[in-house]
Amino acid sequence: DGGITQSPKYLFRKEGQNVTLSCEQNLNHDAMYWYRQDPGQGLRLIYYSQIVNDFQKGDIAEGYSVSREKKESFPLTVTSAQKNPTAFYLCASSVGLAPGSGANVLTFGAGSRLTVL
Amino acid sequence: GDSVTQMEGPVTLSEEAFLTINCTYTATGYPSLFWYVQYPGEGLQLLLKATKADDKGSNKGFEATYRKETTSFHLEKGSVQVSDSAVYFCALKNTGFQKLVFGTGTRLLVSP
Repeated sequence: DGGITQSPKYLFRKEGQNVTLSCEQNLNHDAMYWYRQDPGQGLRLIYYSQIVNDFQKGDIAEGYSVSREKKESFPLTVTSAQKNPTAFYLCASSVGLAPGSGANVLTFGAGSRLTVL
Repeated sequence: GDSVTQMEGPVTLSEEAFLTINCTYTATGYPSLFWYVQYPGEGLQLLLKATKADDKGSNKGFEATYRKETTSFHLEKGSVQVSDSAVYFCALKNTGFQKLVFGTGTRLLVSP
């Protein structure tokens, strides 16, 4: 079945360490996204990519970095510059830029929970 | 900017009760509106959507009608089940950029 795979499901990080969260999709979607979820705050957009080798900052990009070298993959690195990284991270994808309802629907992965020790 | 406001939870109901979760939005233009559901420990799943005024989205017994005059997209279900316990997110997407704007989520707890 097609879908989005995020790994690891749980991750612990020490202060000052960089960590990378993996996101792989086999839906042939052009657009991919990273959201951060904190209790009571809903989802906030970190980065998004509409096409391979291109990505843009979302609302809370500081302290994070991404790459989009392949259509299927959109890894997120949480750097030591991120002051409060403990959160639930969600990766999503969508068909892309084509107009119409299909472009509006996001498919989400199961999430990765990062805890800073 | 665009925003979505949801009623605070948790909403606690007994099985077979009627459910309403309120959602109102602020947006320029003519956004599409969505309800997503998140079960414990999982990502979000699309529950239903509506792309223009007066459209009704429906799925799994849930319904929501796009009301432009009241800028609302309230989620309803006639008879909830224990398995409906989850967090429900209202969201909008305006024309142009692909960004979805989410509400803060409403937790639903259904007891037998």
